[in-house]
Amino acid sequence: AQSVTQLGSHVSVSEGALVLLRCNYSSSVPPYLFWYVQYPNQGLQLLLKYTSAATLVKGINGFEAEFKKSETSFHLTKPSAHMSDAAEYFCAVTFSGGYQKVTFGTGTKLQVIP
Amino acid sequence: GAVVSQHPSWVICKSGTSVKIECRSLDFQATTMFWYRQFPKQSLMLMATSNEGSKATYEQGVEKDKFLINHASLTLSTLTVTSAHPEDSSFYICSARDDVGTGGNNEQFFGPGTRLTVL
Repeated sequence: AQSVTQLGSHVSVSEGALVLLRCNYSSSVPPYLFWYVQYPNQGLQLLLKYTSAATLVKGINGFEAEFKKSETSFHLTKPSAHMSDAAEYFCAVTFSGGYQKVTFGTGTKLQVIP
Repeated sequence: GAVVSQHPSWVICKSGTSVKIECRSLDFQATTMFWYRQFPKQSLMLMATSNEGSKATYEQGVEKDKFLINHASLTLSTLTVTSAHPEDSSFYICSARDDVGTGGNNEQFFGPGTRLTVL
């Protein structure tokens, strides 16, 4: 079975500070990993994805994540937080190939303090 | 880019009535679509996998007679909440896989969601 665990349901950072959202995965086979962002009353938008190519993945809005197999982690980072980054972030995992269902983490709400 | 729409974006209905939610892939074909339910401040819970031309596959604990899914074409899936009750009030989100574009990447493109309130 596959799963992801997001540590911290709420994270607060000051504007301009480093953003670090944690995600650990569990998978018996090589995973595909995703980070999504959700703004209030909206659907999900893909930030970035890892699909077994480069371990450091760059996404939209200045976000990036690094796949670390030894730590089974896929943490999301951004060097400098912006007010517009305040949203809910979801880590997700699936298997490679075919039409496998995606499993989502419980989400982390990011608050950016001016 | 791949766009998925949902209609309506919000709906209020009386208890006991049925509500239909549409999910459309606007610029790609999707053999497979997914329906999720999201409670306030919680993650997305997969309800069912909608397959064009065949029956939907429901997740454990989801009543298939309560949540009817029809995937009539490669660009349209519908979710009908039958005999809705207040506990069915939730945010319903669909997603779709591009049959061609995503290949084995399994990326899902999400609709904007439908807010259902049952009085």
